[in-house]
Amino acid sequence: NAGVTQTPKFQVLKTGQSMTLQCAQDMNHEYMSWYRQDPGMGLRLIHYSVGAGITDQGEVPNGYNVSRSTTEDFPLRLLSAAPSQTSVYFCASRNGAGVNTEAFFGQGTRLTVV
Amino acid sequence: KQEVTQIPAALSVPEGENLVLNCSFTDSAIYNLQWFRQDPGKGLTSLLLIQSSQREQTSGRLNASLDKSSGRSTLYIAASQPGDSATYLCAVNNNAGNMLTFGGGTRLMVKP
Repeated sequence: NAGVTQTPKFQVLKTGQSMTLQCAQDMNHEYMSWYRQDPGMGLRLIHYSVGAGITDQGEVPNGYNVSRSTTEDFPLRLLSAAPSQTSVYFCASRNGAGVNTEAFFGQGTRLTVV
Repeated sequence: KQEVTQIPAALSVPEGENLVLNCSFTDSAIYNLQWFRQDPGKGLTSLLLIQSSQREQTSGRLNASLDKSSGRSTLYIAASQPGDSATYLCAVNNNAGNMLTFGGGTRLMVKP
């Protein structure tokens, strides 16, 4: 019963490097999203997807790319890492059948950019 | 723009007390509100989801209420235990998509 799985759990990057944060869910959920959590700022939406092939920007999309080629996977790409992207990243999924379904979150990826 | 506020930011109570956590939101046009628990260094665990048409939801010692017109929700924890120590987050869903707006959380400590 895996739910939402994020990899890696921890990552240290140098400024300017690129990387992909992985997110996979095994619940056949249509909706997936990425949030970042920062002290004093709470959780903020980066990008989201309502189904395979469909993505859209959230509140803080700059510096991040996403794609959704399958229902299960929703990777988040950092194009050129900056210290301001040091944060904890959470992936979430939700069943799209109706608006009143719970969101389920992964365990998070703690990213440090030096 | 929806804004969600949680008061207090931190709370410390002795074991066995009943307690109430508060969540307020500025835009009452919501689909639902969800309460989460987050343990240090961990992800978010869903506790309760209240639909906009509902007034309350219960799960074990937890009871969440919703007053959409006044933009308020409360999470009531009965007979608190040290294992309840965590950060509690509320989040509102304003649209049929995936936009959750989170409050800043209440960090709860229950002392034995």
